[in-house]
Amino acid sequence: EPEVTQTPSHQVTQMGQEVILRCVPISNHLYFYWYRQILGQKVEFLVSFYNNEISEKSEIFDDQFSVERPDGSNFTLKIRSTKLEDSAMYFCASTEGGTGVYEQYFGPGTRLTVT
Amino acid sequence: AQSVTQLDSQVPVFEEAPVELRCNYSSSVSVYLFWYVQYPNQGLQLLLKYLSGSTLVKGINGFEAEFNKSQTSFHLRKPSVHISDTAEYFCAVSDVSGGSYIPTFGRGTSLIVHP
Repeated sequence: EPEVTQTPSHQVTQMGQEVILRCVPISNHLYFYWYRQILGQKVEFLVSFYNNEISEKSEIFDDQFSVERPDGSNFTLKIRSTKLEDSAMYFCASTEGGTGVYEQYFGPGTRLTVT
Repeated sequence: AQSVTQLDSQVPVFEEAPVELRCNYSSSVSVYLFWYVQYPNQGLQLLLKYLSGSTLVKGINGFEAEFNKSQTSFHLRKPSVHISDTAEYFCAVSDVSGGSYIPTFGRGTSLIVHP
């Protein structure tokens, strides 16, 4: 069964450093998403991406964040200058279509620890 | 804007006992409702979803949920749990007509099944 993959599974970085989290969505999916979950809190939407541009973003997704689809398979989330409060689990997801009827397929997540 | 409340952060239960995980939502428009499960070290996986029609929805692994519009609830049930059901369960809601189908997630309920 096709699945979304994410690398690395765990990333430790120092405050102020840039990090890039990588995702490979399911190959025939067209919509891509990033979510985060701070320990013990809700899964929060960050950004959605379609047709090589951001289609929607939350207030969390400020100028420190950017997303890119550098080639036909990868979908990346970059945090330019990490803060302690960026420590969280980051999930990538993809869907075939852009409406709510389409199931979101999630990756296993990347645990980001900022020290 | 919608919100989701999962009242129980943790639900311990013995194997073969029934279980109910509670989910309440608030929204000013019609909604789609979802339950996701997250097994240790894995991504979120869709258990079941309510889009329209019958209010009783059956999902994978013997789970079912009932949409109650008057109570604004979408509780998840299983008549007899297994050890392998130990996982984190997330309720989510998305607007049908708001233009954005991005789901809003609850904090999650940790189901712990004891032998």
